Amino acid sequence: KAGVTQTPRYLIKTRGQQVTLSCSPISGHRSVSWYQQTPGQGLQFLFEYFSETQRNKGNFPGRFSGRQFSNSRSEMNVSTLELGDSALYLCASSWRTHSYNEQFFGPGTRLTVL
Amino acid sequence: GESVGLHLPTLSVQEGDNSIINCAYSNSASDYFIWYKQESGKGPQFIIDIRSNMDKRQGQRVTVLLNKTVKHLSLQIAATQPGDSAVYFCAELAGADGLTFGKGTHLIIQP
Repeated sequence: KAGVTQTPRYLIKTRGQQVTLSCSPISGHRSVSWYQQTPGQGLQFLFEYFSETQRNKGNFPGRFSGRQFSNSRSEMNVSTLELGDSALYLCASSWRTHSYNEQFFGPGTRLTVL
Repeated sequence: GESVGLHLPTLSVQEGDNSIINCAYSNSASDYFIWYKQESGKGPQFIIDIRSNMDKRQGQRVTVLLNKTVKHLSLQIAATQPGDSAVYFCAELAGADGLTFGKGTHLIIQP
């Protein structure tokens, strides 16, 4: 069974631009969560989607948004990029919401903001 | 604000020895804890979890200990192998706000 896939794997943007990252969950998984990982702050929860609805949101500004499609694929968007947005963005999928012990992570998208 | 933290950024152990990785948390309302392993270039991988109504849980070669009195969590890895080299971090859950993660300990295995 294929794992969680994220595209693109690497991305370079400049300040002020916007970016869209994509996550394809494991087949049958309906929950997708997004996380930001930086050396300074570690791993931080962004938001979770389940059945196309945002179920939970972390403490990030409104520049960070996401959505989930009917096939459970999810995208996250960051508008007006700042240097501090440089990070590894991870998504994770699971069958159910809040199912952390059944959650599988993708390899991440490495975003560099110049 | 309250957060989860780790005591050491790097831990070096001899192959075959036991490893103990520590984590301190400050939110007394946290009732669920997870340990993750993250290898270079990969996403985190769930290792083991524990609920606050337990003080010990064992898996395959791993044991998690929870001391609620001092708000301390530890991960013990028995007979450490080269494949155990990774960053390990803990996470806590309090309420419905999502997981809060520690920054991680880099476990280095010496031959």
